[in-house]
Amino acid sequence: GAVVSQHPSWVICKSGTSVKIECRSLDFQATTMFWYRQFPKQSLMLMATSNEGSKATYEQGVEKDKFLINHASLTLSTLTVTSAHPEDSSFYICSANEQLLNTEAFFGQGTRLTVV
Amino acid sequence: DAKTTQPPSMDCAEGRAANLPCNHSTISGNEYVYWYRQIHSQGPQYIIHGLKNNETNEMASLIITEDRKSSTLILPHATLRDTAVYYCIVRGSGNTGKLIFGQGTTLQVKP
Repeated sequence: GAVVSQHPSWVICKSGTSVKIECRSLDFQATTMFWYRQFPKQSLMLMATSNEGSKATYEQGVEKDKFLINHASLTLSTLTVTSAHPEDSSFYICSANEQLLNTEAFFGQGTRLTVV
Repeated sequence: DAKTTQPPSMDCAEGRAANLPCNHSTISGNEYVYWYRQIHSQGPQYIIHGLKNNETNEMASLIITEDRKSSTLILPHATLRDTAVYYCIVRGSGNTGKLIFGQGTTLQVKP
């Protein structure tokens, strides 16, 4: 099946710094990708929809200036957590599907962010 | 997209069939039922999906009731590696891949 890859798998950063997470579709093009956040023992929460060549669409309650999303190509979306704080520590997961074929969504392996 | 209800947890003996129920009583005619699972600290993995007919693949079977208000995911011979959180999600046919996750069912397969 289609593969979605995230990088890095884990990252530790200091409070106040910014962290960029990459999400790539390896064998298909994705005009739309999705970013989720998951806190311990909770379900995945959709943060935003990343649209190639245009602005991302954020879910209610998600700060667009804090979680910057860029989808500059058909195979790459990035999520930048700006001015990170300990409460931003979480598991961030991206997904994509091949829209032309309307396939199921494929997920990256996730990025564990720890802000110290 | 319609809301789903799943039991929070279930146990299953290794080698036995695991039957995971899902209620989606408000599902509409063009909405599909999808199942994903998430093994600890990994991204969700697609299992199977269906509209109204029963479906089977190499991982599992999906049984959808005639009125489509509920479904059951069947893992025919559960192994320890099937221990995971299983999510039942209803998604519209026109949706571009956006999935709204509920709390899922934590399946514990025991030796």
